[in-house]
Amino acid sequence: GNSVTQMEGPVTLSEEAFLTINCTYTATGYPSLFWYVQYPGEGLQLLLKATKADDKGSNKGFEATYRKETTSFHLEKGSVQVSDSAVYFCALSLYNQGGKLIFGQGTELSVKP
Amino acid sequence: NAGVTQTPKFQVLKTGQSMTLQCAQDMNHEYMSWYRQDPGMGLRLIHYSVGAGITDQGEVPNGYNVSRSTTEDFPLRLLSAAPSQTSVYFCASSSLQSNQPQHFGDGTRLSIL
Repeated sequence: GNSVTQMEGPVTLSEEAFLTINCTYTATGYPSLFWYVQYPGEGLQLLLKATKADDKGSNKGFEATYRKETTSFHLEKGSVQVSDSAVYFCALSLYNQGGKLIFGQGTELSVKP
Repeated sequence: NAGVTQTPKFQVLKTGQSMTLQCAQDMNHEYMSWYRQDPGMGLRLIHYSVGAGITDQGEVPNGYNVSRSTTEDFPLRLLSAAPSQTSVYFCASSSLQSNQPQHFGDGTRLSIL
């Protein structure tokens, strides 16, 4: 079946450290891939997306590249800030299930000053 | 820009009571969905709709009913609340194109005593 697997958290980093959150997927066909972020007490917000192989999504210093050969969509940021502390969700959608998202478990990130 | 509006933000119920969680969107999106978020379990799809008059079950539909009489509104009904339904509930909407992101409400925090 279709699924998304994320690295388990929580992840704790010092400010200005490099961040990688791993995400791999299993899907029939060619999914669109998303990263969402959830700040404490809030709903989910789209962080970035990629809709075809080798696309790179980027936003607010975060990047992720759609790797079809490794079925991965790892999230990276070169220098995290305390304000990046949040829960990050990787998700996919399939062309024949318009709108429906399949989420990973979420990874909690805590950035210390 | 209202986006997706959920009401109420917080609710406490007694076991066996019924209630309706409201969700409205003003983006003319065809797709609407309800998720529950529980610690360590990510987001699980309860019910979804691809248009007015059309609803379908997600991963965890038991104990919940939905209807979609208009494009804008997608209420979630708990007919007889149980402690296992204590959770944070999110409503989301999107177009039916799989490469478009979902827009989330701020959530309803529901406690069943």
